This record gives sequence, structure tokens and C-alpha cells, in this order.
Amino acid sequence: AQSVAQPEDQVNVAEGNPLTVKCTYSVSGNPYLFWYVQYPNRGLQFLLKYITGDNLVKGSYGFEAEFNKSQTSFHLKKPSALVSDSALYFCAVRDMNNNAGNMLTFGGGTRLMVKP
Amino acid sequence: DTAVSQTPKYLVTQMGNDKSIKCEQNLGHDTMYWYKQDSKKFLKIMFSYNNKELIINETVPNRFSPKSPDKAHLNLHINSLELGDSAVYFCASSQMGGLTTNEKLFFGSGTQLSVL
Repeated sequence: AQSVAQPEDQVNVAEGNPLTVKCTYSVSGNPYLFWYVQYPNRGLQFLLKYITGDNLVKGSYGFEAEFNKSQTSFHLKKPSALVSDSALYFCAVRDMNNNAGNMLTFGGGTRLMVKP
Repeated sequence: DTAVSQTPKYLVTQMGNDKSIKCEQNLGHDTMYWYKQDSKKFLKIMFSYNNKELIINETVPNRFSPKSPDKAHLNLHINSLELGDSAVYFCASSQMGGLTTNEKLFFGSGTQLSVL
């Protein structure tokens, strides 16, 4: 079984400050990890992914995420938040050894609010 | 050009009715999905489908059935609609095939279903 936890329903940060959105996962094998962003009344958009290789992954809009195998975490980070980053962020996992439909399991989402 | 398009955007109907949501992707992807997002924004996979197999999330009632007339389309049929079916339904597609592929989901903009 595969699962994802996003412990924070909402993260508030001031514009220009660094932000972190937390994600932990559970898989029986090795993980594929993803972050997606959802703006109001829109479908999810891909931000970045970890498949293999460097633990620090860089993605769209200046976001990055760090894969930490020992802590089973994949936190999303950005050095300097923008008001336009305000959205709903989803972490997702797929077990590399689970080929059943290649289905991702999403976390419950974290709402990021960046205030001017 | 919209990569993944779904219609209608809004669907309001009575309990007990049968309805369909259409989805089309023009990305040439080999796998399509349906996700359900509830009022708390929790996103759950319903189906994964490619030209070889249909994978069904076991929690999905059999009133829901995906139908794929061709590789670019995956429609969602819902029979005997219930109040609890009210949600936003997202279609998505991806190109699967291993570590060398650009594995990410492209989502449609969603269909908001309201069952009265």
C-alpha cells in the first residue's frame, strides 16, 4: 500500500520569506514522488518530481523539494515566496515496484497563503 | 490548445439520474485517469486506464464506469446518482513506461457535479 501525509492544512507566510510545505510518504518499495499545485477552479499542475538521482529536485516557478529517505519525507520549499504562489499544494507518491495502473496516491493538500 | 479537456464544466442533476462526463486528451498519452475531489479538496483516484487494462480503485461504487471509445478519450458514466456523488471530477492523462519517460499527470480543469 502507498500513502501520503501532508500534516498542515494551511501554511501562512509573508511575501519574500522562505516557505516549506511538508510531506511524508509510505511505500513498500522505492518511491516516485511528486508535487502538484492547484489554483482556484483549475486542475492540478505538475511542479516537480523525484524519480532517482539527486535528492534535491528543482521544479517550476522556483520551487524545489528535498527527498529524505531516512525520514520518508519530500518537503516542498521556495527561498522567497510570492503572493501569486498562494494555492493548494498536493504531494503524491507512487510505489516504484507497484505497476497496478501507475496510479498516484495524493496527500490531502496544503493551502499556502502568502500575504503581502 | 487545451491538452486535457473535459465537459461539461458544471453538471447539476437530480438523485437517481444517470449522467456522463466526457474527457479528451490531445497529447498522445497512453494512460488516462479519473479522480474525484471532495468538498474538503481531498483527491482520490477512481480509475486508471490504458489500451491494455483498466484498474479500478476498489472503493469506487460499481455505479461508476469508465468507457474509452479510443485512446484519446475516457468518459465517466455514473448511474443512479446519489447526494454523496457531489464533487469535482478530474480527468488526467500521462505517458507511462519507466524511468526514462517524462512521468507526470496532465489534468483537465474539472467537472463540478452537484446532485440535488
